[in-house]
Amino acid sequence: GAVVSQHPSRVICKSGTSVKIECRSLDFQATTMFWYRQFPKKSLMLMATSNEGSKATYEQGVEKDKFLINHASLTLSTLTVTSAHPEDSSFYICSARAGAGAYGYTFGSGTRLTVV
Amino acid sequence: QQQVKQSPQSLIVQKGGISIINCAYENTAFDYFPWYQQFPGKGPALLIAIRPDVSEKKEGRFTISFNKSAKQFSLHIMDSQPGDSATYFCAASKRGGSEKLVFGKGTKLTVNP
Repeated sequence: GAVVSQHPSRVICKSGTSVKIECRSLDFQATTMFWYRQFPKKSLMLMATSNEGSKATYEQGVEKDKFLINHASLTLSTLTVTSAHPEDSSFYICSARAGAGAYGYTFGSGTRLTVV
Repeated sequence: QQQVKQSPQSLIVQKGGISIINCAYENTAFDYFPWYQQFPGKGPALLIAIRPDVSEKKEGRFTISFNKSAKQFSLHIMDSQPGDSATYFCAASKRGGSEKLVFGKGTKLTVNP
């Protein structure tokens, strides 16, 4: 089945630094990737949608300059949290979907970001 | 505006019992209805999914029942096991690569031994 690899699984960074999270589709071409943020005991909150080679579309209220998304290839998308602050600490999850006719979404295993 | 409403928020079931989680949606353009299982610290994993052209889909102990006219769908877990203890999310989307997956708020299932 479709596999999405997300790294790192956990990261601790100092306030003010930037952190990059990678999401790779291992056995299919991910035309579209989605980035989510999940707070404890809450549902997934969509942050942005990215199509390969295009700028990401951010959801309302998500700072695009803080959460930089790059989807330069059909198998790799990255989320960079810039100038991280403790309130950015959260569980970040990526999801990938194949082409226009696809139904399924495959999720990565998530990244626990802690900003100290 | 929440497009997918999920209930209950939490559910406690005895081992061997049936767990039932319900969802209702508003957008009639949705044509893909998956259920995801999530363990703490992990990403959601697809459990089972259904499209509106069928009323029921069964995979092992997991069954989705779908009522298109009522705009409702439910997950039934037969013979629930302690290992099924997790958070379950229903979701809905439209066909197409960029279409968002709309999630319910989740149900925390606890199966007691």
